[in-house]
Order: sequence, then structure tokens, then C-alpha cells
Amino acid sequence: SQTIHQWPATLVQPVGSPLSLECTVEGTSNPNLYWYRQAAGRGLQLLFYSVGIGQISSEVPQNLSASRPQDRQFILSSKKLLLSDSGFYLCAWSVLTGARAPLHFGNGTRLTVT
Amino acid sequence: GDSVTQMEGPVTLSEEAFLTINCTYTATGYPSLFWYVQYPGEGLQLLLKATKADDKGSNKGFEATYRKETTSFHLEKGSVQVSDSAVYFCALSEAYNQGGKLIFGQGTELSVKP
Repeated sequence: SQTIHQWPATLVQPVGSPLSLECTVEGTSNPNLYWYRQAAGRGLQLLFYSVGIGQISSEVPQNLSASRPQDRQFILSSKKLLLSDSGFYLCAWSVLTGARAPLHFGNGTRLTVT
Repeated sequence: GDSVTQMEGPVTLSEEAFLTINCTYTATGYPSLFWYVQYPGEGLQLLLKATKADDKGSNKGFEATYRKETTSFHLEKGSVQVSDSAVYFCALSEAYNQGGKLIFGQGTELSVKP
């Protein structure tokens, strides 16, 4: 069966520090991968998605970047964190069968920028 | 652009009460529709889905019917339990979306009291 792992679960970082959040998927090949952010008391905002190694699409301009160095690995990064980067970051995957395939989410990383 | 609108929360119910959470959508094509549930401190879990008009998705006593004429996908449950307390997200995926990414509503918090 497929599983998705995100780490760390919680993170407290000072403003201006770098960020690296990692997500890996097991049990499937060539998944679509996604990074979403959930700000406190708000809905989910799609940040990045990837349909293959090295292929990254950005949904909103921001202080963050994403990379996909391996088929089942998706990394969210920042060179210098802002206070507004605080939130709950969720990684997700789906199989390559188009719109009708649901997304499967990890347990998320709660990031607090101080 | 495509969008999803949910009724505002929080919704507070007594155990065994009937639940309805309204969801309406705007889409230019023929989307698939989903309900996700998020328990405190966790990621999102797929609750149910429907991929075409008049489809009824169901799971764990929850139901939602894809109504194309009213562009709605309301979530219902006949008798809620304390364990149903969570945030519920309605989402759509357009068939033409590259990578099948989801567009979420803002979420509706449900609190069930014993």
C-alpha cells in the first residue's frame, strides 16, 4: 500500500533563516506531488505541484521554492523565512489518472516563524 | 476562475443531530467533487467523492450528491457523533487541470457535543 511521509512534524524558525521541508511517497511510481499551505483559520492554498522529476509548477508568487530531485521526493525550501510563512504545510500525492484521482495527504508540518 | 464556497462555521451540534454542510462550486468544465476531513493536528483524509452529475458519494454515514443544476455538493449525515468533530473541506478538480490539482473551499469546523 502507498504511504506518504512528511517531516518534521513541527518547526520553529527565526525570521531570515532557511527552510527545508521534505516529503516522500512509498508504494507508487511517478505520482503527482503537491505542496499546500493552510494559514491559521483559513483554507488550503496550493503552492506547488509536480508531474515528474524536475518539473515544478508554481501557483502563487512567494518566498518559497520547491524541488523534486527524485521520483517520490518533494522538497519545499526557502532561503530566508518571513513571518507570513508561518502555517501548516501539507504534502500530497495522486496517481497519474487525471482529475478523478483523489489527493492523499501527509500529516503536515506546522511551521512557526518567530 | 474555478472556486468552491462552503458555509461558514463553526457548526455546533448535539450528538445524534442531523448534519448538513453546504458546498457550491463554480467551474467552466465538468469537475470531480470531493469532501475531505481534517482532525485536529492532522492532515486531510478523503471522506467521499463524486465524478459526474447525480453521483452520490458515501462513506462512514456521510453522503453527498453531485447536483449539476444547482452546482452543489452538500455534505449530510443523519446522526452525528462526538468523534465527527473536525474541519470539513469541499474541493473540486477540473478535468483540464494539469496534474489534477484540487481547489478547496475554506473549510467548515464541526463541533459535536455529547
